[in-house]
Amino acid sequence: QKEVEQDPGPLSVPEGAIVSLNCTYSNSAFQYFMWYRQYSRKGPELLMYTYSSGNKEDGRFTAQVDKSSKYISLFIRDSQPSDSATYLCAMSAKREEGGSTLGRLYFGRGTQLTVWP
Amino acid sequence: GAGVSQSPRYKVAKRGQDVALRCDPISGHVSLFWYQQALGQGPEFLTYFQNEAQLDKSGLPSDRFFAERPEGSVSTLKIQRTQQEDSAVYLCASSLAHVSTVNNQPQHFGDGTRLSIL
Repeated sequence: QKEVEQDPGPLSVPEGAIVSLNCTYSNSAFQYFMWYRQYSRKGPELLMYTYSSGNKEDGRFTAQVDKSSKYISLFIRDSQPSDSATYLCAMSAKREEGGSTLGRLYFGRGTQLTVWP
Repeated sequence: GAGVSQSPRYKVAKRGQDVALRCDPISGHVSLFWYQQALGQGPEFLTYFQNEAQLDKSGLPSDRFFAERPEGSVSTLKIQRTQQEDSAVYLCASSLAHVSTVNNQPQHFGDGTRLSIL
C-alpha cells in the first residue's frame, strides 16, 4: 500500500460545478500538505500549501486538512474549462533529527479532471 | 529565467545507451530535487541536493543512476546502460529553503524531460 492514496478518476464535470478532490495517507508524521496542478506535458504547478490541520482558501480554491482522519481535500468552486488538468496531492514530514526525510515530497497518483463547457 | 528549466524536453535512446538530463534551477534556490514520474503515476523522489552537497540519494533506483551538482547551481542526472523500465518523465524541482527549513518550503517544478528507451 502506498503512503498516499488518491483516486485517479477520471472526473468529468460541467462548467460552474463544485469539484471535490481528496487524498488519504498513512504516515502520521506528515505535516505539510500541498496540491499541485499538472497540465499535459507540463510540470506540476503549486496551487495550495498548508501546514497541519485546518482550512486555507485562495480564490476559487479551498484546501482542507484533517489530520485525525489522515484525509485532505481540495475544493474548486465555479469550475472552468481551464481547470481541466491532473491534480496531485503531495505531502512531507517534519525533518527528523539526522533522518533522511529532507524535503522529500510524497505524491498521490493524481486525479484527472475535465470541465466541459 | 523565471522558472526551473530542463533540457532536453524529449530524449529517445536505445537500450544500453547512457543519457544525461540537465536541470537549471531558479536563480538563488539552494535546494534541488529530482523526481521520476511514470505514466499515470505521481512523481517519485530520486535525490536531493543542498547547494553542491547530495544529502539524500535514497530514491535512486539502482547504481546506474547518478546525479551531480558540482557548482551548486545546474544539476545533471545521468543514467547508464538504460533499460526500458527507465522510460518516464524526469522532473527537477528547486526551493529557496536551506536544509533547516527544506521540509516546510514549497518546491517549484520544471516541465521535465520525457525519456523513452527503445
